Amino acid sequence: RKEVEQDPGPFNVPEGATVAFNCTYSNSASQSFFWYRQDCRKEPKLLMSVYSSGNEDGRFTAQLNRASQYISLLIRDSKLSDSATYLCVVPLGGYSTLTFGKGTMLLVSP
Amino acid sequence: ETGVTQSPTHLIKTRGQQVTLRCSSQSGHNTVSWYQQALGQGPQFIFQYYREEENGRGNFPPRFSGLQFPNYSSELNVNALELDDSALYLCASSLTTGGSYEQYFGPGTRLTVT
Repeated sequence: RKEVEQDPGPFNVPEGATVAFNCTYSNSASQSFFWYRQDCRKEPKLLMSVYSSGNEDGRFTAQLNRASQYISLLIRDSKLSDSATYLCVVPLGGYSTLTFGKGTMLLVSP
Repeated sequence: ETGVTQSPTHLIKTRGQQVTLRCSSQSGHNTVSWYQQALGQGPQFIFQYYREEENGRGNFPPRFSGLQFPNYSSELNVNALELDDSALYLCASSLTTGGSYEQYFGPGTRLTVT
């Protein structure tokens, strides 16, 4: 299994749709997880941190399944502005180093 | 905005040359990590500096080196540039405390090697 693996995408959805991304990770000892959002040719920006079973912030919900070693990100009521690449991030090394997945691109259309 | 700045924004170099990229961390943060992001890929960890010491290194050759200064700003140096070094170089600052891994990225330096 790759260290951090994400749905390849892209996901094309209409405005208002609900979309979910999945991410699997290799290290069962990992305790914290992150979703970052990256707009085209911009830096990644922290979207959500997950330290327990899940986290919710408005239209965004992250869920963690430790037994199966996967994390999901659910976006409800998609907006045009949600179009971006979503990066699943897991601290797999020591010293707080982050391992990124390749990212899943989301395209929300009118 | 994260308060993390990087310079320069863009850079074009020739194969074999050397380059220095700079990063100023967010106020109050003591740790800087550097990442390389090739087109269509996620960022790859290069190394991390904590209190002026290298604190971890990814799978990059020794020609990638760095420094951290007393004010926690940092430099990434790459010697003997290769075409494959063309990428977006990102630095991220964080506050290293027990169990905290949240990192905040600067806008990046886009390096093109010809």
